[in-house]
Amino acid sequence: AAGVIQSPRHLIKEKRETATLKCYPIPRHDTVYWYQQGPGQDPQFLISFYEKMQSDKGSIPDRFSAQQFSDYHSELNMSSLELGDSALYFCASSLGGARNSPLHFGNGTRLTVT
Amino acid sequence: AQSVSQHNHHVILSEAASLELGCNYSYGGTVNLFWYVQYPGQHLQLLLKYFSGDPLVKGIKGFEAEFIKSKFSFNLRKPSVQWSDTAEYFCAVNARRKNTGFQKLVFGTGTRLLVSP
Repeated sequence: AAGVIQSPRHLIKEKRETATLKCYPIPRHDTVYWYQQGPGQDPQFLISFYEKMQSDKGSIPDRFSAQQFSDYHSELNMSSLELGDSALYFCASSLGGARNSPLHFGNGTRLTVT
Repeated sequence: AQSVSQHNHHVILSEAASLELGCNYSYGGTVNLFWYVQYPGQHLQLLLKYFSGDPLVKGIKGFEAEFIKSKFSFNLRKPSVQWSDTAEYFCAVNARRKNTGFQKLVFGTGTRLLVSP
């Protein structure tokens, strides 16, 4: 079965550079979530989209922005990167209209800022 | 706002030992409960979930969890662990918002399980 696809798998950037992470949800899933997992930490919710509209916002820095496109894929744009942004970024998708739809996670993008 | 507490941060067991990982949540409304597992270097995978009905939920790989509403708990159990169960386990709570219908998943801090052969 098709899963959540994230690209790239690994990304190395320098401080103050920008990065774009992409997420392709499971087909027919209309809700996308972004999570950040620092080394040895639990996933922290960043932001989510339902039907191409931002539906919730968590601890996402102002330097980051995201959007969901007409084909439901989502991109997380990160600017002015800092060393502390080094983390594993997970995308998850679900069927937002279905109450009992669990989140399905992608493999994550490991971002290293040097 | 909902929150999730996992009291055991590190657990070390020998193979064949029984496992119980604690999870408590705080939220007054209707919740869905999940356990996710993260094997070393891999992504989060759904282990089991509770939405409604029988409070004893069975998941993959011999895991089960019991929802005790009065205690706001959803503890994970396995009668006999294997070396391959070495991983990090996250409890998560999903609370549905009435107006937007949006589901937001909140994770606990995770429990790192090490099973020695």
